[in-house]
Amino acid sequence: ETGVTQSPTHLIKTRGQQVTLRCSSQSGHNTVSWYQQALGQGPQFIFQYYREEENGRGNFPPRFSGLQFPNYSSELNVNALELDDSALYLCASSWTGDTEAFFGQGTRLTVV
Amino acid sequence: DAKTTQPNSMESNEEEPVHLPCNHSTISGTDYIHWYRQLPSQGPEYVIHGLTSNVNNRMASLAIAEDRKSSTLILHRATLRDAAVYYCILAGTYKYIFGTGTRLKVLA
Repeated sequence: ETGVTQSPTHLIKTRGQQVTLRCSSQSGHNTVSWYQQALGQGPQFIFQYYREEENGRGNFPPRFSGLQFPNYSSELNVNALELDDSALYLCASSWTGDTEAFFGQGTRLTVV
Repeated sequence: DAKTTQPNSMESNEEEPVHLPCNHSTISGTDYIHWYRQLPSQGPEYVIHGLTSNVNNRMASLAIAEDRKSSTLILHRATLRDAAVYYCILAGTYKYIFGTGTRLKVLA
């Protein structure tokens, strides 16, 4: 049992809207990372947070932003949604950025 | 960014060993090599990871080339439950770079 939970499991939004996805990390893990997985593709790294600070970012525009809270839970915010943002969004927690990561089941976002 | 290259798909017979290759010729000295697998509609599941030396755990073995430009995940006896997409990942301090993944089909 991974202990990483994400909410909601499914979400439908309209183009141009904003969305917030949530992740509760495994107990004791201070690093959380977010990924976007388009249908049939591998996960793409969005960014990573360590102790409430963003310390790594993939090739995603600034309208993808995040937060990590003192209890190490995290949020992913996406502004000005585009149709191509439709994907499975995965959250993973770990002790550090390069150790074993535990993934949640993901949030399936559909932008219409 | 360093990247990994994997075959799109592989097949194996049940109870036989499976060797899943991964090329990562641009790996940096501090990148760890991780393997995860993903079943449909689930998040990736950790399999194994290593830095320079070969690694074994209850799920699999990881063989890392001496120059670290390639690695091989070894499932010693494939079962039907091992059918999944296997990802080879370079894990730096600040990011995970997933490869395209290998879809493993296990034949009964």
